[in-house]
Amino acid sequence: GAVVSQHPSRVICKSGTSVKIECRSLDFQATTMFWYRQFPKQSLMLMATSNEGSKATYEQGVEKDKFLINHASLTLSTLTVTSAHPEDSSFYICSGTLTNEKLFFGSGTQLSVL
Amino acid sequence: KNEVEQSPQNLTAQEGEFITINCSYSVGISALHWLQQHPGGGIVSLFMLSSGKKKHGRLIATINIQEKHSSLHITASHPRDSAVYICAVQRLQLGGNTGKLIFGQGTTLQVKP
Repeated sequence: GAVVSQHPSRVICKSGTSVKIECRSLDFQATTMFWYRQFPKQSLMLMATSNEGSKATYEQGVEKDKFLINHASLTLSTLTVTSAHPEDSSFYICSGTLTNEKLFFGSGTQLSVL
Repeated sequence: KNEVEQSPQNLTAQEGEFITINCSYSVGISALHWLQQHPGGGIVSLFMLSSGKKKHGRLIATINIQEKHSSLHITASHPRDSAVYICAVQRLQLGGNTGKLIFGQGTTLQVKP
């Protein structure tokens, strides 16, 4: 089946630094990629929808200047957490869609900001 | 009230038991997904349903569109089935399906040997 590769799986960084998370669709072209975050024992929360070659659509309450999303190709989408703070510590996960129906998830990135 | 509600929130079963997890939703949908999240965090899509019933191995998923309800059944449960099971719906929207999901809170299942 289709695979979405997400890196890194875990990152620890100092407050104020920026962290980039990559999601690659390995054997299909993901025209749309979704980015989610998940706090412990809570459900996934959609942050933004990225479409290849266009600006991402952010959900209400998500700062677009804080969470930069780039979807420059059909197989790669990146999420950059800029000037990370401890409250940004969370589990971030991406998913790609083939036909706006079947979804394939990355393995997730656990971000810890000290 | 959440647009997608799951029950139970937590479930403990003995190996071999038949398990049912329920999902109710309050919006019009184009599809419903059942997802499995293991302790490491990775998520696997188990089923995508728009009507009827699907079966894969020991897993069965059903959906009743009129009642806005879906169930996930696990037959002959095994400790390796222990995970969080998440129901998610794709809201029906004009202009086509965007693929955006609304998630339930998840059901934490523990199967004891």
